[in-house]
Amino acid sequence: SYELTQPPSVSVSPGQTARITCSGDALPKKYAYWYQQKSGQAPVLVIYEDSKRPSGIPERFSGSSSGTMATLTISGAQVEDEADYYCYSTDSSGSVFGGGTKLTVL
Amino acid sequence: QLQLQESGPGLVKPSETLSLTCTVSGGSISSSSYYWGWIRQPPGKGLEWIGSIYYSGSTYYNPSLKSRVTISVDTSKNQFSLKLSSVTAADTAVYYCARHKAVAGRYIDYWGQGTLVTVSS
Repeated sequence: SYELTQPPSVSVSPGQTARITCSGDALPKKYAYWYQQKSGQAPVLVIYEDSKRPSGIPERFSGSSSGTMATLTISGAQVEDEADYYCYSTDSSGSVFGGGTKLTVL
Repeated sequence: QLQLQESGPGLVKPSETLSLTCTVSGGSISSSSYYWGWIRQPPGKGLEWIGSIYYSGSTYYNPSLKSRVTISVDTSKNQFSLKLSSVTAADTAVYYCARHKAVAGRYIDYWGQGTLVTVSS
């Protein structure tokens, strides 16, 4: 498996745009996925295949990928979006999570 | 509605083997559309993928844990299991079972609620 690198923390004020990055050498060839994890809960998928949004996920969540970097964007972040966010990807040998980014909205 | 439920001891002694089972309800573990996997999260730390198994028995393991991990499937009981040998305090974590889509990304679309396993004498 390879490694995915995320910033440890991102902080925004409510209504601002939050961007969380994930870098990995295989991302030009592999999809990135994003999970949101609130305290004491199991993770929830918020973006799949770089930029697709599962049903039930607010439109303010979007994803993109270019070269070795994938980005999760939360447009108009809300207080309830405060959580840990993990990128995820796979290669021929297995799966890997990024180290996680704590998003603070205050 | 698919549900995954982890079960097993919450306390394991150092050097012993951690054993957990995930019971799947609301769907068949024999579906060709999914893999079934284990992920863990030490207290206050990030997620770590442990490994995944297909209903046929084919497996993927995290290279850093491969020498100590065995994942197996019991299609008759709609369950899959994790064994992690020679545990130390570093293996203390919340262990999640999960369902992976059997597509190129093998991403996780359903998670169990997680179970805390503490390694301590």
